[in-house]
Amino acid sequence: KNQVEQSPQSLIILEGKNCTLQCNYTVSPFSNLRWYKQDTGRGPVSLTIMTFSENTKSNGRYTATLDADTKQSSLHITASQLSDSASYICVVSERDYGGSQGNLIFGKGTKLSVKP
Amino acid sequence: DAGVTQSPTHLIKTRGQQVTLRCSPKSGHDTVSWYQQALGQGPQFIFQYYEEEERQRGNFPDRFSGHQFPNYSSELNVNALLLGDSALYLCASSQEADTQYFGPGTRLTVL
Repeated sequence: KNQVEQSPQSLIILEGKNCTLQCNYTVSPFSNLRWYKQDTGRGPVSLTIMTFSENTKSNGRYTATLDADTKQSSLHITASQLSDSASYICVVSERDYGGSQGNLIFGKGTKLSVKP
Repeated sequence: DAGVTQSPTHLIKTRGQQVTLRCSPKSGHDTVSWYQQALGQGPQFIFQYYEEEERQRGNFPDRFSGHQFPNYSSELNVNALLLGDSALYLCASSQEADTQYFGPGTRLTVL
């Protein structure tokens, strides 16, 4: 069964500190992996997207890594800010028979709280 | 560019009622997907519309139906509401299979 598991479920860090969020998946065949940031009660906003051949992608203070062999991804946040408080969702796309993107499989997210 | 917009932002209904949620996609996008997100959970795929047809459907009962209009906007209809239908309903638009852009969501509360 295609699944996306994220850890930790929640995380509290102090402003200015770094943190790393994990995503493990069993989705096959794989098309791409995205990290989204979701503020409470709002829609998710895309941070990064990586295909099979990419192993790192940065977006400002956010850096995502992908190990397609072990089916693991991480999202590293540098010098955290209060505005980073949100849920971070890992989303893995299946590859359909035509080679295009198929179903999206969502993780449950990691809830990050940045404290002053 | 207004991005993806959804209406209403909040809605309160009672069990057994019917509800219609609306979504306008980002300019240039032709595909609209709908998701249900319960509190503390990741979004669950309901269905996707492309060229006014339902192209894919998740594991949701027939009480959930939708429509896409020629201007690519979309509606999600839920009949015979249950308490468990209370959730944030997200609409996402894309240009075919490209990155999905999410709207702000509609918070539905069923009493």
